[in-house]
Amino acid sequence: GAGVSQSPRYKVAKRGQDVALRCDPISGHVSLFWYQQALGQGPEFLTYFQNEAQLDKSGLPSDRFFAERPEGSVSTLKIQRTQQEDSAVYLCASSARTPEGGNTIYFGEGSWLTVV
Amino acid sequence: GQNIDQPTEMTATEGAIVQINCTYQTSGFNGLFWYQQHAGEAPTFLSYNVLDGLEEKGRFSSFLSRSKGYSYLLLKELQMKDSASYLCAVDVANFGNEKLTFGTGTRLTIIP
Repeated sequence: GAGVSQSPRYKVAKRGQDVALRCDPISGHVSLFWYQQALGQGPEFLTYFQNEAQLDKSGLPSDRFFAERPEGSVSTLKIQRTQQEDSAVYLCASSARTPEGGNTIYFGEGSWLTVV
Repeated sequence: GQNIDQPTEMTATEGAIVQINCTYQTSGFNGLFWYQQHAGEAPTFLSYNVLDGLEEKGRFSSFLSRSKGYSYLLLKELQMKDSASYLCAVDVANFGNEKLTFGTGTRLTIIP
């Protein structure tokens, strides 16, 4: 597709329910990121993939959060046993470095998760 | 730790010029990004600076001084549609990885 695509766009989950958020990056982009953004705050890093390899998961807040990118394209962020503090926008981004070493990171529109 | 500071809110007049500052103290530096984010929408890429100096792109310009840990975003000929949050972010990763650390964003309001 032309941009980073995320689904669902909006999700309301009951506390304790598991959720799965999908990200379809820009075709050919090697790098994929997940960020969490609370209202009025900047995005907070969760995890980073280079192709199918998860190179950095230091931002995942607990072991209830799990991300995968098994074939190096589509990625899924899974949250188990959701809690109210998980309510946020989950942003996916992808990037492709230029030969000159420049970089542009493009974001999807996000998945808005509300835990009730 | 990583520290990125930018003003929380700014107001400017339509047609004028505004400068949004960002200072950073990070463990690594592979470049600095500016993003625009309208309420309820995804951050949109504005600029990327990795070398010192000014990068100009239409009405928007971005400046970087690595020695001072300082950047600014300059918006000229302001339009009402420029009302948005502006996010400063530093790529702090090492060893070929990538990792953007964001400031909290500057909410810019344009008034007629």
